[in-house]
Amino acid sequence: EAGVTQSPTHLIKTRGQQATLRCSPISGHTSVYWYQQALGLGLQFLLWYDEGEERNRGNFPPRFSGRQFPNYSSELNVNALELEDSALYLCASTLTGTYEQYFGPGTRLTVT
Amino acid sequence: GNSVTQMEGPVTLSEEAFLTINCTYTATGYPSLFWYVQYPGEGLQLLLKATKADDKGSNKGFEATYRKETTSFHLEKGSVQVSDSAVYFCALSPVPSYNTDKLIFGTGTRLQVFP
Repeated sequence: EAGVTQSPTHLIKTRGQQATLRCSPISGHTSVYWYQQALGLGLQFLLWYDEGEERNRGNFPPRFSGRQFPNYSSELNVNALELEDSALYLCASTLTGTYEQYFGPGTRLTVT
Repeated sequence: GNSVTQMEGPVTLSEEAFLTINCTYTATGYPSLFWYVQYPGEGLQLLLKATKADDKGSNKGFEATYRKETTSFHLEKGSVQVSDSAVYFCALSPVPSYNTDKLIFGTGTRLQVFP
């Protein structure tokens, strides 16, 4: 069974640009979560999508947005990039009714 | 609110030493508890879990027991290996009303094991 996949692995952008990160959940999983792991700051919850709807949002500005597609894959968009957006962005998925989240390898975003 | 507190790292051990990484939590009700491991350059992997009081999660020689009375979920391993060097995250999943909400993570504890 394939795990959670994320693309791209690395992304380099300049300040003010937009970044798009993609995530494909494990087959059969309908919920997708996004986390930001900035250096030295642990994991911060960004967004939760389930059945195509945004269910919850962490304490991030509106320039962080996303969506979930009918096949349950998801996109995270970050507009007007700032230097402090440089981080590892992790996607996780869950099977409805279970608690554990399965993580992808992450996308490392570097803003210069 | 819900929170997880982990011991500060790094934890530095020699191979075959005993490992304990402390984790305590604050939550209402009976959350599920998890340990995740992050190897260098990789995402997080679920290491073990416990969903109710006195449950013991175990995997790859690691163990943790859900202690409701002390609100703790300490990670232990009897004999660590160099390959165990990684960052370990304690996390909780709040009591859900539907499916699962976000995981709440501790800040992570880096383990370094030397031969």
